[in-house]
Amino acid sequence: DAGVIQSPRHEVTEMGQEVTLRCKPISGHDYLFWYRQTMMRGLELLIYFNNNVPIDDSGMPEDRFSAKMPNASFSTLKIQPSEPRDSAVYFCASSLDQNYGYTFGSGTRLTVV
Amino acid sequence: AQSVTQPDIHITVSEGASLELRCNYSYGATPYLFWYVQSPGQGLQLLLKYFSGDTLVQGIKGFEAEFKRSQSSFNLRKPSVHWSDAAEYFCAVVPSGGYQKVTFGTGTKLQVIP
Repeated sequence: DAGVIQSPRHEVTEMGQEVTLRCKPISGHDYLFWYRQTMMRGLELLIYFNNNVPIDDSGMPEDRFSAKMPNASFSTLKIQPSEPRDSAVYFCASSLDQNYGYTFGSGTRLTVV
Repeated sequence: AQSVTQPDIHITVSEGASLELRCNYSYGATPYLFWYVQSPGQGLQLLLKYFSGDTLVQGIKGFEAEFKRSQSSFNLRKPSVHWSDAAEYFCAVVPSGGYQKVTFGTGTKLQVIP
């Protein structure tokens, strides 16, 4: 298995632009998580899905952030419009069961200038 | 409120020396416990996990961790550190029973010197 695949690895965009981050979870994993990592705040859970259904989005910072999982093999995290404070590394992780440990992707480093 | 604490932000050890990274948690009951490692530019990788049973658990890359209920601790150890172990290590906790959010510690950065 190729693991959790995220794209792009790096994204530099101008303030106000739309940004879409992509994630392909491990086949058969029922849970998918989006995390954001910054020096100041550490790892923050943004949203998670179970069987493609969003279960908890209480960590999504504001309405500028949205996430979808149209099928079991693909998820997107969209920021529109982007702001400099959104600069961070965004991780996608998947799991067979959320209590059994996660497999993380390599992350997308987002820089908003 | 539930919490997990990694008291050491940064640790430096010599190659070949032993290592212990500390993790303490605050929960009402014994939670599920995990250690992850993050190499620069990479995502987190699961090293080991504890659910129940034997309080000494073995993980990948020669790491082990010991659960001590009386101290609410789950410290990570390695008898002999290699230069490739330089990374950031995260302790994570999930309350047992049903779905609960994972709480990650703030991480400990390990530097290995020759």
